[in-house]
Amino acid sequence: DSGVTQTPKHLITATGQRVTLRCSPRSGDLSVYWYQQSLDQGLQFLIQYYNGEERAKGNILERFSAQQFPDLHSELNLSSLELGDSALYFCASSLSPSAGAGTEAFFGQGTRLTVV
Amino acid sequence: QQQVKQSPQSLIVQKGGISIINCAYENTAFDYFPWYQQFPGKGPALLIAIRPDVSEKKEGRFTISFNKSAKQFSLHIMDSQPGDSATYFCAVGPGSARQLTFGSGTQLTVLP
Repeated sequence: DSGVTQTPKHLITATGQRVTLRCSPRSGDLSVYWYQQSLDQGLQFLIQYYNGEERAKGNILERFSAQQFPDLHSELNLSSLELGDSALYFCASSLSPSAGAGTEAFFGQGTRLTVV
Repeated sequence: QQQVKQSPQSLIVQKGGISIINCAYENTAFDYFPWYQQFPGKGPALLIAIRPDVSEKKEGRFTISFNKSAKQFSLHIMDSQPGDSATYFCAVGPGSARQLTFGSGTQLTVLP
């Protein structure tokens, strides 16, 4: 158990809908990263928050947004969903703003999103 | 631009053999090189990591070899076991982007 909690584990929704994925980081970790994993794209970095503020953006679509709350949990909002958004969404956390030695990134179990 | 290239895409090894997975990176600003192990339906789990100031790090049956001049690093799994069958990802970070960038993954199958 990495200590990173993601809910829900599975989500099935229709095209055009909006969903919210939730992540609770490990105790003491201030940084949260969101990744998307699909068969053809691998693990793609979406966005990072540190202590409530956005720190880095990757290949995140405009239809997607995220935030980190004062209690440090984070939510990833996906809207106007398309079939191609079906993927595993992972959250990771680390102590510092940068994942590195002494501040390793630990991943949650992921949310499997299926858009039908 | 693909910042890290991982090979092979898949690997089949006999029990007791050595599994070797390679990664090459572009940006010399990276200073952290971890390997993650992922089982089906699970999140990636940190396996072992290295900093560029050492050429090798060993933890149990897992060893990272690092070649700074060639900008390459590899994972060696000694005495491979069926329980090692999983997908392995190399990563680089954080550089200027702060987050980890992952390789495309290697699906390892260890035959009993």
